[in-house]
Amino acid sequence: EAQVTQNPRYLITVTGKKLTVTCSQNMNHEYMSWYRQDPGLGLRQIYYSMNVEVTDKGDVPEGYKVSRKEKRNFPLILESPSPNQTSLYFCASSQAASGRGELFFGEGSRLTVL
Amino acid sequence: QQQVKQSPQSLIVQKGGIPIINCAYENTAFDYFPWYQQFPGKGPALLIAIRPDVSEKKEGRFTISFNKSAKQFSLHIMDSQPGDSATYFCAASGAFGNEKLTFGTGTRLTIIP
Repeated sequence: EAQVTQNPRYLITVTGKKLTVTCSQNMNHEYMSWYRQDPGLGLRQIYYSMNVEVTDKGDVPEGYKVSRKEKRNFPLILESPSPNQTSLYFCASSQAASGRGELFFGEGSRLTVL
Repeated sequence: QQQVKQSPQSLIVQKGGIPIINCAYENTAFDYFPWYQQFPGKGPALLIAIRPDVSEKKEGRFTISFNKSAKQFSLHIMDSQPGDSATYFCAASGAFGNEKLTFGTGTRLTIIP
């Protein structure tokens, strides 16, 4: 089954404790991206990647890091989480390297930073 | 400006009614306008998309209307059902440096029986 898998789905952590949200897709997609969803703000892009070892900032990259060492994986790293990073996070992938095609989203990771 | 404005923020419609969600954009380079549907606890999924060479596109009970001169597009749901209750996001992107998909802020739609 074609899917984007995120883990963990739910996480409660404390300020400053490094965490990683993993994302894996099995569709051999070139493009992968991370979004955060907040009430009234919609989906805002954090980082994206058009290919292995190619990553770039989205609209709200501050406080986040990513890496793309393999085509299928695109982890999101919060080096020192803060309460304003409490949000619902989505990983997405697309066959089109530019990201213009249909985006396939994971089921989301709800993060709470205390 | 890479902005897409979506309204209303929330909408409650009786079963069988026709909810309408509106979006407006500023960047004239945008040429791809998808709508994504998100059920609670799930990620968004592509519902329907339109390009500006047509003014309307229908897929089942879902219709996108597009007004290029006004830089507006809207989603209509015919004969709405409680199962259509979800959050809907409009989005837009273009070519040549405008490829990034920019999302609207979302509309939470509730269809009451």
